[in-house]
Amino acid sequence: DAGVIQSPRHEVTEMGQEVTLRCKPISGHDYLFWYRQTMMRGLELLIYFNNNVPIDDSGMPEDRFSAKMPNASFSTLKIQPSEPRDSAVYFCASSLVVRGSPLHFGNGTRLTVT
Amino acid sequence: GENVEQHPSTLSVQEGDSAVIKCTYSDSASNYFPWYKQELGKRPQLIIDIRSNVGEKKDQRIAVTLNKTAKHFSLHITETQPEDSAVYFCAGWDMGTQEGADGLTFGKGTHLIIQP
Repeated sequence: DAGVIQSPRHEVTEMGQEVTLRCKPISGHDYLFWYRQTMMRGLELLIYFNNNVPIDDSGMPEDRFSAKMPNASFSTLKIQPSEPRDSAVYFCASSLVVRGSPLHFGNGTRLTVT
Repeated sequence: GENVEQHPSTLSVQEGDSAVIKCTYSDSASNYFPWYKQELGKRPQLIIDIRSNVGEKKDQRIAVTLNKTAKHFSLHITETQPEDSAVYFCAGWDMGTQEGADGLTFGKGTHLIIQP
């Protein structure tokens, strides 16, 4: 298995632009998570899905952030409009059906908003 | 929801010595505790995990201990080597009855430095 695949690896954009991050989970994993990592706040859970349904989005910072999972093999995290404080590494992770099974992380997307 | 505290934030040890990283959690319903290692510029990777029905788990030079009464768990690395230098994260996950649990909550991380 190729593992969790994220794209792009790096994204540089100007403030006010729309940004879309993409994730393909490991096949057969029913849980998908989006995390944001910064030096100040560490790894923060933004949202997670179970069988394509959002379960907990309480970590999404504000309405500028939205996430979708249209099918079992694809998810997007969108920021519109982007702001400099959104600069971070965004990780997608997936896990098997049973809650509490290990999370497998993708390589992350490093977002820089200027 | 779960709150995970991790100490210390930075730990420097001599090569060959042992390193211990400690975490506490707040939610008594939490019963799954993984540890992740993250090298610079890379993704977090699972190195060991423990469930609340056991008190200790070992894998070669790495061990994790869990004290449910005190709500804390620790990572122990023996005979440290230069390649152990990384940031280590503990995490806790409520596997209780509430479907809308908070997912996996991470500590702030410990930067482990192995001095040659």
